[in-house]
Amino acid sequence: DTGVSQNPRHKITKRGQNVTFRCDPISEHNRLYWYRQTLGQGPEFLTYFQNEAQLEKSRLLSDRFSAERPKGSFSTLEIQRTEQGDSAMYLCASSPGGRVYEQYFGPGTRLTVT
Amino acid sequence: GNSVTQMEGPVTLSEEAFLTINCTYTATGYPSLFWYVQYPGEGLQLLLKATKADDKGSNKGFEATYRKETTSFHLEKGSVQVSDSAVYFCALDNTNAGKSTFGDGTTLTVKP
Repeated sequence: DTGVSQNPRHKITKRGQNVTFRCDPISEHNRLYWYRQTLGQGPEFLTYFQNEAQLEKSRLLSDRFSAERPKGSFSTLEIQRTEQGDSAMYLCASSPGGRVYEQYFGPGTRLTVT
Repeated sequence: GNSVTQMEGPVTLSEEAFLTINCTYTATGYPSLFWYVQYPGEGLQLLLKATKADDKGSNKGFEATYRKETTSFHLEKGSVQVSDSAVYFCALDNTNAGKSTFGDGTTLTVKP
């Protein structure tokens, strides 16, 4: 068990470009969560999956954001036409079935939009 | 909607001092309450939790008691160490789905 991993750790992109982040949860964790954290604030919930099903999306997740979890394993978060306001740390967490409160967080992907 | 208010930081203490970080919340229903810790360069880690009123969560010498009457979940430690230097986040979940609402974090620095 190597924990939750996220790639890349840092991403710098120009406004208007598309970016994709990947999250690999702890194996056999059937729930996977995405959060966004801006400087000086706590994480804000974006979306979550149970296995491959995306069960909920926050209003924070505009149409430019899309997340997938094919086959219920890793997940990707894509942001299209990035804006400077998208600059943040994107966090992924996973939890085992039946113990949703035991969330294990990855190190995050820091996105900077110039 | 849900909200979590944490004591503003940063907090600087000397080693072996007593620590209190205040946390109050607003939520409907009966939320579960959590403290997470983020050490420099690392991801958030669940430190402790309490799932019903009057429960006490504890871990690594840290404690917090779920006080429904005051809607609070203050974090305490009797004697802090330099290694406790980190950012501490209070959070709640009243969805039973693991979708937590976090406070803005309190940075703790412990000096030898």
